[in-house]
Amino acid sequence: NAGVMQNPRHLVRRRGQEARLRCSPMKGHSHVYWYRQLPEEGLKFMVYLQKENIIDESGMPKERFSAEFPKEGPSILRIQQVVRGDSAAYFCASSGGTGSYEQYFGPGTRLTVT
Amino acid sequence: GENVEQHPSTLSVQEGDSAVIKCTYSDSASNYFPWYKQELGKGPQLIIDIRSNVGEKKDQRIAVTLNKTAKHFSLHITETQPEDSAVYFCAPPSGGSYIPTFGRGTSLIVHP
Repeated sequence: NAGVMQNPRHLVRRRGQEARLRCSPMKGHSHVYWYRQLPEEGLKFMVYLQKENIIDESGMPKERFSAEFPKEGPSILRIQQVVRGDSAAYFCASSGGTGSYEQYFGPGTRLTVT
Repeated sequence: GENVEQHPSTLSVQEGDSAVIKCTYSDSASNYFPWYKQELGKGPQLIIDIRSNVGEKKDQRIAVTLNKTAKHFSLHITETQPEDSAVYFCAPPSGGSYIPTFGRGTSLIVHP
């Protein structure tokens, strides 16, 4: 049973470019969460999605960041016009749905902005 | 929102010793208390969790204890091994939410 998959694992972008991070949840899971982790810090919640629905985006920066989870395909976290401060590890997690607290994390995407 | 603090931030032990990490939280309505282990370059892995109707849960060498009155829960690792070296996070959601609030982490180093 494949776990949560994220790609790419490493992404390098120049300032001003766009970054697209992908997350495929665990088989049978319909809920996806995105987190950002800065060095030597805990994970900060960004957004919580179901298929075709954003449930909670209270942790998303107001500009340049967006997320989607289409009916078919992976969840996408999109960062437009990246700046050096966006450099971080981005993790997604999936869960089985409403009523399920347990989250299973992917290996993360390490974004470096040069 | 939930305020979460972990102590200590770093813990160094000899192989075979026990390790205890404590997590305090602020929301008295919280009812799910997980611990995650994160190895270098990897995503967090859920290692043990407890619900509010239980005071203690054990799984081989790891255990979690909960004190709801004092609003803290602890991770206990016995007979530590070098492969236990990692960063450990507590991440209780606020009451009524499924979104965890992560502590800043405890770096556990087990010396062979």
